[in-house]
Order: sequence, then structure tokens, then C-alpha cells
Amino acid sequence: GENVEQHPSTLSVQEGDSAVIKCTYSDSASNYFPWYKQELGKGPQLIIDIRSNVGEKKDQRIAVTLNKTAKHFSLHITETQPEDSAVYFCAASRGSNYQLIWGAGTKLIIKP
Amino acid sequence: DVKVTQSSRYLVKRTGEKVFLECVQDMDHENMFWYRQDPGLGLRLIYFSYDVKMKEKGDIPEGYSVSREKKERFSLILESASTNQTSMYLCASSPTGGGADTQYFGPGTRLTVL
Repeated sequence: GENVEQHPSTLSVQEGDSAVIKCTYSDSASNYFPWYKQELGKGPQLIIDIRSNVGEKKDQRIAVTLNKTAKHFSLHITETQPEDSAVYFCAASRGSNYQLIWGAGTKLIIKP
Repeated sequence: DVKVTQSSRYLVKRTGEKVFLECVQDMDHENMFWYRQDPGLGLRLIYFSYDVKMKEKGDIPEGYSVSREKKERFSLILESASTNQTSMYLCASSPTGGGADTQYFGPGTRLTVL
């Protein structure tokens, strides 16, 4: 069946450095790729998303890139700050409908 | 601001009990979802609903049922709770649009079945 693989499961970076989280999807019909951030004790919250007609999208320190041919998409966080510490999830749409297939999550730790 | 609320943050039940988890959203969203979150497995879709009284099975519906009698409310029911249903349960809603869109999540209910 369709699946989304996410790596790494844990990422520890020094404050101020960059962090990159990578996902691979299997459904070639997927056309929507969101990234969610889950802070302790809260539900996931959308931080950035990209649709299949775009290769890259940026929002301040956060960027997402999409390679449709390779079925890869990545989250890039620059100049990391303590408040970036959280669990990050990637997801891909099941085809073009409103269901999402989720990655397993990456715990990002920002070291002071 | 969209708000999704869940009836309990923490719940402890005994094996065999019937369990109700309630979710309410205040943004008139068409779609509502119930997920289960377990470490290393991400979010797995249990059921979703795209309209009042409409429901569809997700990836792991076994042992669960749902009810959507009003647009703003989506309930998850464990008919006979078992220990392997101990987990974090997340409810979400999203507006209609014909395609995938932002999902807004509640804070989750951590259910322990003894």
C-alpha cells in the first residue's frame, strides 16, 4: 500500500545550525505535501506545505523542496532556535483527495 | 482561530469497557478525522467523515466505530476496550475543497486501557 518514509527518527543539532528532514513517498498520484510540528502536549500544527506544481517553497527560516521524479521531499530549517525543538511529521496526500499518509516523525533536538 | 477540542486529555479505562471520545470543531469544517498516534508509527487514520452521517474507514478501523450526528461533532467509540488500544488519540478537521488541505488538530486524548 501507499506509505511515507521519514528520516532521521531523531536529529540533534547545535543552536544556529541548519536541520534537514527527508521523506520519500510511494503514491505517484500524491499532489500535496504538508509538514506538521508537534510540541509537547499539543496536537500537530501545519508549518509549511507544498503542492506538486511547485519545486520549492520558503517561509522565513523554513523551506520545503519537492522532487516529484524521485518522490522525495525535504524540510529545511535554518538558524535553528530552542523553540524549534519538537517532533516534525511529513505527510503526502492519497492521490488528490483529502486524506493524508503520514511519516513516522522526527524528533528534533536543538542543543544550546 | 480554528479550535478543535477533545473531551478529555487523559482517560483510564478497564478492558471490556465501552469508551467514547468526543471531538468538537468550531469552524464549520466539512471533514473530520480520528487518528491514533504511537511512537515510531506516526499518525494512523482510524476513520474519517466528509459530511454529517457520512463516514469512511481509514487504515486501522478494527475495534472502533464513529458517529457524526452534527457537523461540528465527531465521536470515536471503542465498543470493548482492549489493552492494545492504549494510545494517544488525535482528532482533526479540515475545510472542504475537493482536495487535501490543512488539518487542524485537537490536543489529543491519552487513553490507557488496564
